[in-house]
Amino acid sequence: GAGVSQTPSNKVTEKGKYVELRCDPISGHTALYWYRQSLGQGPEFLIYFQGTGAADDSGLPNDRFFAVRPEGSVSTLKIQRTERGDSAVYLCASSGDTGGGGYTFGSGTRLTVV
Amino acid sequence: AQSVTQLGSHVSVSEGALVLLRCNYSSSVPPYLFWYVQYPNQGLQLLLKYTTGATLVKGINGFEAEFKKSETSFHLTKPSAHMSDAAEYFCAVRNQAGTALIFGKGTTLSVSS
Repeated sequence: GAGVSQTPSNKVTEKGKYVELRCDPISGHTALYWYRQSLGQGPEFLIYFQGTGAADDSGLPNDRFFAVRPEGSVSTLKIQRTERGDSAVYLCASSGDTGGGGYTFGSGTRLTVV
Repeated sequence: AQSVTQLGSHVSVSEGALVLLRCNYSSSVPPYLFWYVQYPNQGLQLLLKYTTGATLVKGINGFEAEFKKSETSFHLTKPSAHMSDAAEYFCAVRNQAGTALIFGKGTTLSVSS
């Protein structure tokens, strides 16, 4: 596609529930990134994929968070047993190189855990 | 470890005035530096980047930034502010492994008529 697409744009879930957030990167971009942005803060790195594999998952806060990219294109961020502190905007970005040229970000998914 | 500090969480200017948004970085390797802009309810858009070479970098919408190694700074400027420049601005540095960007907390730019 022309840009990075993220769905849904908004998600409200109850504490303890499981959620999946989807990212459709720019066609042909091999690098894909997930970030989390809390209110009043800059984006915080979660995970980086190069192709199908997670090349760096050091930003995932705990084992409730998991992400996949099975065919090297679309990625899904999965959060188990959601907590109110998980409420944030989750941003996806893709790049045609390893990031030296900058990323293209999607508009994000606003997750609210009630 | 790499880090970024943006001085001033909020900057207000008049339309037509100079815009100066400050960013200082810390990096154990030659830095790759970026400025992004975020409009309300939108994703981040790349304004400009510094990797190697010329230290004065020109970006979109009339913005530019100068890499100053001696001052560990990468301040963003624009000679004349427009109302449409009102947004959140983020400075970022690439991490040592080259796998992620580390962002500052952002600076909100307000432009008054």
